[in-house]
Parts: sequence; C-alpha cells; structure tokens
Amino acid sequence: SSELTQDPAVSVALGQTVRITCQGDSLRSYYASWYQQKPGQAPVLVIYGKNNRPSGIPDRFSGSSSGNTASLTITGAQAEDEADYYCNSRDSSGNHPLFGGGTKLTVL
Amino acid sequence: QVQLQESGPGLVKPSQTLSLTCTVSGGSISSGDYYWSWIRQPPGKGLEWIGYIYYSGSTYYNPSLKSRVTISVDTSKNQFSLKLSSVTAADTAVYYCASLAAVDAFDIWGQGTMVTVSS
Repeated sequence: SSELTQDPAVSVALGQTVRITCQGDSLRSYYASWYQQKPGQAPVLVIYGKNNRPSGIPDRFSGSSSGNTASLTITGAQAEDEADYYCNSRDSSGNHPLFGGGTKLTVL
Repeated sequence: QVQLQESGPGLVKPSQTLSLTCTVSGGSISSGDYYWSWIRQPPGKGLEWIGYIYYSGSTYYNPSLKSRVTISVDTSKNQFSLKLSSVTAADTAVYYCASLAAVDAFDIWGQGTMVTVSS
C-alpha cells in the first residue's frame, strides 16, 4: 500500500527511552526521515537516511529500520522533546514523497 | 545557510485560485542541490506533500492534487510558486515551502503561511 502508519500518541517518562514507529511497504526499499514539530512551528528534520542527524540535533535521537518498519528512538527523553513526530519516505512506486500521520509524544 | 519564506494572501474565496510564493535566500535556487517543494498541513492534521520543482522546471505533483496544482520557478528572482485552482474549504491549511535534499529528506522549511478558504 502507499501509506505510512504511525501510532497517534506515545508517552514516555522523563529520562527514559521511547521508540516511535512508522510502518509501510515502501520502507522495505526506502529510508525514512523523521521530523519534529512543536505547536505553531514548522517541522524540523531530526533523522535522515540510515541514521543521520542534521547539525544541531542532539545525539539522543537515532533512527533504525527493519523490514517494513522504521523507528525513531529518543534515548533519555527530555521535556523539550514533547512534540509531534512525522515520518516521511516514498510511496510504494518510489515516485512521490509520503508522510505518516504523525505521533504525538508526551513526556511525563 | 539557505532560508525559505512563504508569501501570499491569507484568505481565498471558494472556487478561486490559491497563489503562494517562496523566496529562497542564502543560496541559489539554480544550484541543483534541491527539489523545491510545497507541503501543507490542515488545522490539527498531518503533513501532505503537494509537489516539487527542480530549477530546470521539471515538476512532480501529488497524484491526488495533480489536476489542480501548478508549481513554477523564477530563477531570476530566486523564487518558486504554487497555484492551486478551484479551492474549497478542504484546502484551508498552513502551507510550507521546503527543500528536498539529495538525501531524500526535507531539510529546510519556511515558517509556513496560513491560508483560509472562505467567502
């Protein structure tokens, strides 16, 4: 299918580790990128490619992939990590970008 | 450091054409490093890719919007533009311009501009 599926909401205790997942057939062929979006702000790229962080993104953010599932892991979640997270990859044809529905992360 | 800035009307009437421009600063739109993209986000909802253009003029559109979308580039002004025709209330959204890098990720985003479709 040409969809990327994310859990709508995930919570994590402060300082703990959380994994946000993205499922889709196209992820067997293409990497996912991950974006953090805080209220009223534009999305920010946090992970791209196999597991790459743009300059300025803390190393507590990491990415991985297995089969049809891509994951964003935050190791030692901080209060400022509370945000919506979106995955992005290609549709199954590889022709067009596609976004997941987003996951709202709450840091308790 | 490349920066992007959207501009255009914040209110469009139903059935009319939405027109937005993205100005690229800090770099050349003709550098060949990016596909210049439009993405939108309806209030309280997720992100939707609209389409992108290469500096040469090659365009790629979301199949669900293709019949109504035109993206163009003006290299002399370092700008690219979006036109979305026959708008309805469902087109009400924050519209972002963004750059799609060779690593296949949207690495730079504009701040976004809210467009409301209403009479």
